[in-house]
Amino acid sequence: AQSVTQLGSHVSVSEGALVLLRCNYSSSVPPYLFWYVQYPNQGLQLLLKYTSAATLVKGINGFEAEFKKSETSFHLTKPSAHMSDAAEYFCAVSTNTGGFKTIFGAGTRLFVKA
Amino acid sequence: EAGVTQSPTHLIKTRGQQATLRCSPISGHTSVYWYQQALGLGLQFLLWYDEGEERNRGNFPPRFSGRQFPNYSSELNVNALELEDSALYLCASSLGGNRYNEQFFGPGTRLTVL
Repeated sequence: AQSVTQLGSHVSVSEGALVLLRCNYSSSVPPYLFWYVQYPNQGLQLLLKYTSAATLVKGINGFEAEFKKSETSFHLTKPSAHMSDAAEYFCAVSTNTGGFKTIFGAGTRLFVKA
Repeated sequence: EAGVTQSPTHLIKTRGQQATLRCSPISGHTSVYWYQQALGLGLQFLLWYDEGEERNRGNFPPRFSGRQFPNYSSELNVNALELEDSALYLCASSLGGNRYNEQFFGPGTRLTVL
């Protein structure tokens, strides 16, 4: 069965520091992978997606993620954190096994300290 | 362009009652997805509708049901409400055709069951 694991329910970084949010997936077929961000009291917004083209995917707001098949990982990074990056981040995988569905990780809340 | 809209914003019900949640997709989108976001559990896939048909459902009991109307808007019905149904219910829409298209999320309906 497909699954998504996000390591760390909470991550805290200082403003200007590197942001690294970890995501590992399990999928028996090549996956479509996504990162979404959720600001307080809002729905989810797509940051970036991997669809089997380039393994390094660039998204909005300076975020990027690298697909590593050997590690079944799709970690999200940003070189320099900004206060406005404080939000909850969700990794997701879309598969067609057992019927199409998108499976989300439990989320990682990012705190940015001044 | 208007985004995905959901109504009501908040809904308070008592155990055993029925709840109806509504979603209007982005114009031109034919697929609608429903998710439950309970505290600490991330997003759980509920239902997927496309072109008026239920295409897939997640691991939820039959008292969770819905439908999609000819204008592609959708309703989620939850019968015989239980306390653990309290959650944020998110609706998302996407273009039809390629099922891996990006999903655009609404702000959600907060359901509280007392």
